[in-house]
Amino acid sequence: DSGVTQTPKHLITATGQRVTLRCSPRSGDLSVYWYQQSLDQGLQFLIQYYNGEERAKGNILERFSAQQFPDLHSELNLSSLELGDSALYFCASSVEGLGGNNEQFFGPGTRLTVL
Amino acid sequence: GENVEQHPSTLSVQEGDSAVIKCTYSDSASNYFPWYKQELGKRPQLIIDIRSNVGEKKDQRIAVTLNKTAKHFSLHITETQPEDSAVYFCAATPNAGGTSYGKLTFGQGTILTVHP
Repeated sequence: DSGVTQTPKHLITATGQRVTLRCSPRSGDLSVYWYQQSLDQGLQFLIQYYNGEERAKGNILERFSAQQFPDLHSELNLSSLELGDSALYFCASSVEGLGGNNEQFFGPGTRLTVL
Repeated sequence: GENVEQHPSTLSVQEGDSAVIKCTYSDSASNYFPWYKQELGKRPQLIIDIRSNVGEKKDQRIAVTLNKTAKHFSLHITETQPEDSAVYFCAATPNAGGTSYGKLTFGQGTILTVHP
């Protein structure tokens, strides 16, 4: 167990809908990262937050957004869902976000299925 | 941005043999290189990492080597066991600055199968 929690574990929804994925980092970790894992794209970095502020952005679609709250948990919002958004979404956390040299601990992931 | 290439995509070995997975990266500013093991349907788990100020690191049956000049790093697993069967990912992180804090760029993954 990495100490990073994610809910829900599974999510099944329809095209056009909106969902929210939740992540709680390890105690003491200030950085939260979101990754998408699909069969054809592998593990792709989406976005990073550090102590409530956005720090880095990857190939995140405009339909997706995220935020980190004062208690450091984070939510990833996916809207206008398409079939191609079906994937495993991982959250990871690390102690610091600066320097990029810190071990990232992954949560168990949320499996999103869009029908 | 950073680009990480990983080879081979699949690797099949007999129990007790060694396995080697290789990665190359493009951004010379990258200075942290973790390796993750992912079992089917599970989260990626860090198994070893190396920073740019060292050339080699070992942890029991696992070792990683880094050649910064050639921009490649490799994972070596000795005395493989069936429980080593999983997907292995390499990753690289560019240096601090700009919008690249902590952003891991992953290789495509290697499916390792260890036959008893």
